[in-house]
Amino acid sequence: EVQLVESGGGLVQPGGSLRLSCAASGFTFSTDYMTWVRQAPGKGLEWVSLIYNGGGTHYADSVRGRFTISRDNSKNTLYLQLNSLRAEDTAVYYCARGGAGLSFNYWGQGTLVTVSS
Amino acid sequence: QSALTQPPSASGSPGQSVTISCTGTSSDVGGYNYVSWYQLHPGKAPKLMIYEVTKRPSGVPERFSGSKSGNTASLTVSGLQAEDEADYYCSSYAGSSKYVFGTGTQVTVL
Repeated sequence: EVQLVESGGGLVQPGGSLRLSCAASGFTFSTDYMTWVRQAPGKGLEWVSLIYNGGGTHYADSVRGRFTISRDNSKNTLYLQLNSLRAEDTAVYYCARGGAGLSFNYWGQGTLVTVSS
Repeated sequence: QSALTQPPSASGSPGQSVTISCTGTSSDVGGYNYVSWYQLHPGKAPKLMIYEVTKRPSGVPERFSGSKSGNTASLTVSGLQAEDEADYYCSSYAGSSKYVFGTGTQVTVL
């Protein structure tokens, strides 16, 4: 059974940093692309970042230069480093596994990041 | 990249059909056959319902179907059931390894 479990969320001050983790199991993590998607309170889903199995990375314009996606295939874990955080980064952050047809076929339950002083 | 446009809400009685539209541009929905639909229930992980415009993952009921015409994709839920009440989001590949989601539609089963 595919499982994705996010962790690392919490309350952080504006300008601060946080590292999110996503522990994957039930599939061959090293062969799949992975992504982060967020949902601000009362808002819709927003694609944040993607990493291919070979390590290539891509970012939404809203986070480029502040967020860094990475993966450790030996630990079956996906990461998202969040720097220079702003109030508008407050959201539930989901990790998801890349699937057929450029879809995201499995998702975690998310971890909440709150940026506030 | 602007969000794809969905109606805020849709509703139907049990057994009826509901169709949700998802309008983008020629740079996303209209340019690629990589439209997906996701179902969100509060407190649960999002679930993939449709991928590549029309394909259903294993385990998704046949009453869920997708289509596309030009820059607009659609999700139809036929034979509405109580458990179909949820938020639905479309998503499209937008080129250069980027993605865009829709604004979301809350489906209510009356």
